[in-house]
Amino acid sequence: AQSVTQLGSHVSVSEGALVLLRCNYSSSVPPYLFWYVQYPNQGLQLLLKYTSAATLVKGINGFEAEFKKSETSFHLTKPSAHMRDAAEYFCAVSGDNAGNMLTFGGGTRLMVKP
Amino acid sequence: NAGVTQTPKFQVLKTGQSMTLQCAQDMNHEYMSWYRQDPGMGLRLIHYSVGAGITDQGEVPNGYNVSRSTTEDFPLRLLSAAPSQTSVYFCASRGTANNSPLHFGNGTRLTVT
Repeated sequence: AQSVTQLGSHVSVSEGALVLLRCNYSSSVPPYLFWYVQYPNQGLQLLLKYTSAATLVKGINGFEAEFKKSETSFHLTKPSAHMRDAAEYFCAVSGDNAGNMLTFGGGTRLMVKP
Repeated sequence: NAGVTQTPKFQVLKTGQSMTLQCAQDMNHEYMSWYRQDPGMGLRLIHYSVGAGITDQGEVPNGYNVSRSTTEDFPLRLLSAAPSQTSVYFCASRGTANNSPLHFGNGTRLTVT
């Protein structure tokens, strides 16, 4: 069965600093991987997705993620944090269960300090 | 372009009451699903459907029923509400391709007292 682990339920960075949110997955088949962002009192929005075309995936709002098969990781990064990036981020995997439903990690809340 | 629409946005129930959370999508997606979101646990799959007339259980199906009579609608029924069902519920839809992302509604915040 597929699973996702996000290390760190809370991450705090200063404005302008590097953002690194960690995601490790488990899947018995080549995975499809996604990062979603959730702003307060809203649903989840897709940031980016990995679909095997390229290991470095660029998303919206300056975020990118790199798929590393050897490490079973799909960490999310952004070179310079903005206050508006404060939100909760979810990593998800699909491909290894009935109906190709997504399995989500526990989420990481990103706080950005001025 | 409405996307995925969920109603109501907020609901308070007493233990033992029943209710239906509504979900509709206008993107002609075959796949629809219901998740619940609880602090520190991410989103957990309750039920899903891969097409009209087809439903299946997810990770946490107990206490919930679903049906899929049309492509557009996928209601979630709470049969006898319990405090453990206090949560935020999200409906989502996607296309059939393996790499299709989920499109989410804005959620229903349910409190069971």
